[in-house]
Amino acid sequence: QVQLVQSGAEVKKPGSSVKVSCKISGGTFTSYTISWVRQAPGQGLEWMGRIIPLLGMTDYAQKFQGRLTITADKSTSTAYMELSGLRSDDSAVFYCARPQLTGDRNDAFDTWGQGTLVTVSS
Amino acid sequence: EIVMTQSPATLSVSPGERATLSCRASQTVSSNLAWYQQKPGQPPRLLIYGASTRATGVPARFRGSGYGTEFTLTISGLQPEDFAVYHCQQYDDWPLYTFGQGTKLEIK
Repeated sequence: QVQLVQSGAEVKKPGSSVKVSCKISGGTFTSYTISWVRQAPGQGLEWMGRIIPLLGMTDYAQKFQGRLTITADKSTSTAYMELSGLRSDDSAVFYCARPQLTGDRNDAFDTWGQGTLVTVSS
Repeated sequence: EIVMTQSPATLSVSPGERATLSCRASQTVSSNLAWYQQKPGQPPRLLIYGASTRATGVPARFRGSGYGTEFTLTISGLQPEDFAVYHCQQYDDWPLYTFGQGTKLEIK
């Protein structure tokens, strides 16, 4: 059974950057896109962007353009989400997620990582 | 960007009764609409995709309906484990996705 395993919690200073990893196990890495989703405390889900690991191509929500970088390492089946210029309101749980369908089509996310808590505090 | 609006923000229903949750899109998303259930400390779980198709292992008491801009998730015979937050998501606007703000289903 496919699993997405994320890196552990982080505490960061305002203005710094955070890089969260998402490793796939038990499944193919390059056949599916990987998306990143943010959830601030007590808030809803917010799609941030995605990567096509096979091609390294990315798409970002406009809100995060310029601050977000999503990358993928095919050799280790790991995707990364790096958010820069951190502010206190970036404190959130970050999830990686994979759609049901292969390729770069959009589809519902049937596989999620466990989440990574990022706290931004001085 | 397609904006997804869920209502109500909080819904109080007694166990055994029916809950009806709504999701509206700012423009048509055809049937490219998913529903997720989320419990505290857990990632979301896919319940419904294609507006009305239940994901693997989802009980039949969960029913999705709608097309275009108006969607409904109906949960019949509420069980204790159904009290959670529910999110809708559109995946029509390739390559972008958007979620609603969520509906908290609480025990009355």
